[in-house]
Amino acid sequence: KQEVTQIPAALSVPEGENLVLNCSFTDSAIYNLQWFRQDPGKGLTSLLLIQSSQREQTSGRLNASLDKSSGRSTLYIAASQPGDSATYLCAVIGGANNLFFGTGTRLTVIP
Amino acid sequence: EAGVVQSPRYKIIEKKQPVAFWCNPISGHNTLYWYLQNLGQGPELLIRYENEEAVDDSQLPKDRFSAERLKGVDSTLKIQPAELGDSAVYLCASSLETGYGYTFGSGTRLTVV
Repeated sequence: KQEVTQIPAALSVPEGENLVLNCSFTDSAIYNLQWFRQDPGKGLTSLLLIQSSQREQTSGRLNASLDKSSGRSTLYIAASQPGDSATYLCAVIGGANNLFFGTGTRLTVIP
Repeated sequence: EAGVVQSPRYKIIEKKQPVAFWCNPISGHNTLYWYLQNLGQGPELLIRYENEEAVDDSQLPKDRFSAERLKGVDSTLKIQPAELGDSAVYLCASSLETGYGYTFGSGTRLTVV
């Protein structure tokens, strides 16, 4: 069974700092990888989807990379803002079209 | 384009009572998922539908949980009877097909007292 791990579990940074969130997975036979954001008490908002043939995707201040061979993905957030405070979830899409989630990184950006 | 719609947003029930959740996926999305999310954890799959067929329900506790997706569109998830440990957020998601990513609804927060 696919195991997804996210490190760190929690992170606090001052506003304006660049930061990296890490995701690792045990089975490299994946279709895609998707990063989500979850605000307290809310559902999941998709941030970036990386196809298995791609190495990275960018959206505004966000950049996600994927290294299938090593089972790793990173989410880079540039110039962090207090509004970025949320839990960030990594999910890999494996065989049978199922999503396997990590436990998330809870990010706090301090003004 | 409307997103994935779930209702109710919140539900508080007494243990042993039944409860039902409803999900309307994005129009044209053939694949529908129900996920369970406990506090501080990532979502875990309960059941996946391809059109009206449940193709993966291996994680669904069938003694008390049931789901249906009539006509391959809307879906309902039911718990009967509810237990204290069922308190969690129930998320619905839909996908066009493999490789196109997933869209989640806002979830239903269930509290069993």
